[in-house]
Amino acid sequence: IAGITQAPTSQILAAGRRMTLRCTQDMRHNAMYWYRQDLGLGLRLIHYSNTAGTTGKGEVPDGYSVSRANTDDFPLTLASAVPSQTSVYFCAIYVIVAGDSNEQFFGPGTRLTVL
Amino acid sequence: AQTVTQSQPEMSVQEAETVTLSCTYDTSESDYYLFWYKQPPSRQMILVIRQEAYKQQNATENRFSVNFQKAAKSFSLKISDSQLGDAAMYFCAYRGQNRDDKIIFGKGTRLHILP
Repeated sequence: IAGITQAPTSQILAAGRRMTLRCTQDMRHNAMYWYRQDLGLGLRLIHYSNTAGTTGKGEVPDGYSVSRANTDDFPLTLASAVPSQTSVYFCAIYVIVAGDSNEQFFGPGTRLTVL
Repeated sequence: AQTVTQSQPEMSVQEAETVTLSCTYDTSESDYYLFWYKQPPSRQMILVIRQEAYKQQNATENRFSVNFQKAAKSFSLKISDSQLGDAAMYFCAYRGQNRDDKIIFGKGTRLHILP
């Protein structure tokens, strides 16, 4: 989706290594989110940020950290990757489309494999 | 806490036929939003349809329509005239009305289209 980029597209990582997944938006929206998607479990919220300078924990925050130094960037860091963090990671923003209508837009995802 | 349940992990439908995907949710709120997202093999998350809880009329988008039963907390998706391109993972999702509320996803239903 135009407006949200994620990098890398995919990555294979050795256990114990540090990894930062990047997410950048050019839509200047405040609310940003990180999800992980696992088969049979759907999308689970890891961390979120309602505005630059603030972050919060989601459903599965352990082993992950985030920062929000500015509106556009919301990186997700795995300080010491473990195999259970093998997953597809989605960054998302929340947009008020018109009036009270709203929609969550997702980036293209990062497939991470931890060996 | 709000929950979203999709009881059908997988479904199949013959091309050109109609299929209904089930979703139930639990909430104590009176105003909220419900969504159906489609995830094709490309893994991109695509919003299919959105329903505002205060609207009694069921949302429709071309071949996609919902049956929203607020009292029963049910939000099923009907796909008419199924096409091969409809094959995907479908996620039901819930979001409260407050600006800082998070979207909660069900575990998904994988839909197969039989030619």
